[in-house]
Amino acid sequence: QKEVEQDPGPLSVPEGAIVSLNCTYSNSAFQYFMWYRQYSRKGPELLMYTYSSGNKEDGRFTAQVDKSSKYISLFIRDSQPSDSATYLCAMSLTGGGNKLTFGTGTQLKVEL
Amino acid sequence: DSGVTQTPKHLITATGQRVTLRCSPRSGDLSVYWYQQSLDQGLQFLIQYYNGEERAKGNILERFSAQQFPDLHSELNLSSLELGDSALYFCASSDSGASADTQYFGPGTRLTVL
Repeated sequence: QKEVEQDPGPLSVPEGAIVSLNCTYSNSAFQYFMWYRQYSRKGPELLMYTYSSGNKEDGRFTAQVDKSSKYISLFIRDSQPSDSATYLCAMSLTGGGNKLTFGTGTQLKVEL
Repeated sequence: DSGVTQTPKHLITATGQRVTLRCSPRSGDLSVYWYQQSLDQGLQFLIQYYNGEERAKGNILERFSAQQFPDLHSELNLSSLELGDSALYFCASSDSGASADTQYFGPGTRLTVL
């Protein structure tokens, strides 16, 4: 079983929809949680960064972390065709360097 | 543009060969990370360097090695290449290499082993 599980999709939604992307994890020691966006043939780009449990909002994006359930989510409001990409969750521990453990990514397509 | 540069963009080589991938971190960043992205395994951490010293190691094969030079650029050396080594290789950099640091990824090097 992988440390971080993520539904690979693909997920197809109409423009303007609210998108919910999720990851579950097994290692309760993870403290830092990130969402990266990766366009085809490009490097991952950081979207959201949260520490421990709670919510964080940035424009149309909201990240939620529920450490008790070992579950993190990314919500995208008013989705746009330009949001079409693969979304990767990532997490890391405290101490011992800064290794990121990634989910496999969810492919999102926002259609006109 | 993240500020992290990687060369070459594409590399095609044969099994058994050796290649070197190069990464230049963002200006001022002291830590460099290498990741491998394949279709079946996703994005996997290989190794981290901080100011020239190895800081953390992931599931990096013995055939692979890396180093970070005094000017902070890094090289990933892959030898005795196998078909399964075909993947995207990403370099990332961060300020200090501490746990809370944000990692910025380069555009990647696509390696094809024939």
